[in-house]
Amino acid sequence: KAGVTQTPRYLIKTRGQQVTLSCSPISGHRSVSWYQQTPGQGLQFLFEYFSETQRNKGNFPGRFSGRQFSNSRSEMNVSTLELGDSALYLCASSLGGVNTEAFFGQGTRLTVV
Amino acid sequence: GNSVTQMEGPVTLSEEAFLTINCTYTATGYPSLFWYVQYPGEGLQLLLKATKADDKGSNKGFEATYRKETTSFHLEKGSVQVSDSAVYFCALRGGSNYKLTFGKGTLLTVNP
Repeated sequence: KAGVTQTPRYLIKTRGQQVTLSCSPISGHRSVSWYQQTPGQGLQFLFEYFSETQRNKGNFPGRFSGRQFSNSRSEMNVSTLELGDSALYLCASSLGGVNTEAFFGQGTRLTVV
Repeated sequence: GNSVTQMEGPVTLSEEAFLTINCTYTATGYPSLFWYVQYPGEGLQLLLKATKADDKGSNKGFEATYRKETTSFHLEKGSVQVSDSAVYFCALRGGSNYKLTFGKGTLLTVNP
């Protein structure tokens, strides 16, 4: 069974640009969550989608957005990139219940210069 | 809101030593508790989980027991190996919020 796939693995962008990251969940999983990981702030929740609907949202500015498609694949977009957006972005998929495990992809390493 | 506190690292042990990484939590209701491990340059791997009080999660020699009376979920392993060197995260998910709340992580280094 294939795991969670995130593309691309690495990205370098310039301040002010925008970026789109992609996540393909485990087959059958309808929930996809996104997290930002930085050395200073640790792991912070961005948002969660379930069956194409945003179910939860973290405390990030509106420059961070996401969506989920009918095949459960998800994308997140960051507009007007800032240096502080440099981070490892992790996607997790699960069946969607509160007690279910979340399985993570290998992440996308975004560097903003 | 929910929160997780885990012991500050780094933790350095010799091979075959006993490992404990403390984790306590604050949450309403009955959250599910998880331990994840992150190897350098990789994402998080689920190590074990427990969904109700007194449950013991176990995997690859690691164990953790859900203690509601002390709101704790300490990770233990009887004999660590060099290959266990990684960052370990305690996390919870509960209530009406589907997000995972993580501790800050504990870096474990095991020397031969």
